[in-house]
Amino acid sequence: QVQLQESGPGLVKTSQTLSLTCTVSGGSISRGSYYWSWIRQPAGKGLEWIGRVYTSGSTSYNPSLKNRVSISIDTSENQFSLKVNSVTAADTAVYYCARATVIPPAMDYWGQGTLVTVSS
Amino acid sequence: QSALTQPASVSGSPGQSITISCAGTSSDVGGFNYVSWYQQDPGKAPKLIIYDVSNRPSGISTRFSGSKSGNSASLTISGLLPEDEADYYCSSYTSSSTYVFGTGTKVNVL
Repeated sequence: QVQLQESGPGLVKTSQTLSLTCTVSGGSISRGSYYWSWIRQPAGKGLEWIGRVYTSGSTSYNPSLKNRVSISIDTSENQFSLKVNSVTAADTAVYYCARATVIPPAMDYWGQGTLVTVSS
Repeated sequence: QSALTQPASVSGSPGQSITISCAGTSSDVGGFNYVSWYQQDPGKAPKLIIYDVSNRPSGISTRFSGSKSGNSASLTISGLLPEDEADYYCSSYTSSSTYVFGTGTKVNVL
């Protein structure tokens, strides 16, 4: 059974960089055809897809966040990471990591989510 | 990319059937048979309940069914149960090789 767990600071100062890591257990992150994804959800609002990374390191991002976001993968640690630059209060949200199958393109395993608050 | 459009809420009584719509464009919902649906209980992570428009992952009740016509998709819950009360989100693959979620629908079981 694949499990994903987000980790990182719960509080980030305005204009700084938000950094989160997702640790995958129960299977190798480098085996199979999967995209490793980040999704966020502000309190009381809907889901927003942030982006994904493939095992090869290739990435795809939400156009609205593309200039501030970076996702990377570390197969040796079975982890993938998210960085969001120049954060504002609008980046305050629960951040989820998830595994997405390539075909079909659906997110079948999710982490429990971690709340990140941006404040000055 | 703009979020797919869903009704804010849908209500039904136990045993009834309800349908949640998900409106997109030819660049997402209409362009691919890659619509998925997620159920989210309060304070929990979303759970995949439908993929590829109408397929259910293992363990998902047959009371959940999906369909698509043109640029819109739908999720139907039949034989509504109290435990179906949750938020539901559609999602689609897009022509930009990205994903887009719907605005979300709260299902109320009266």
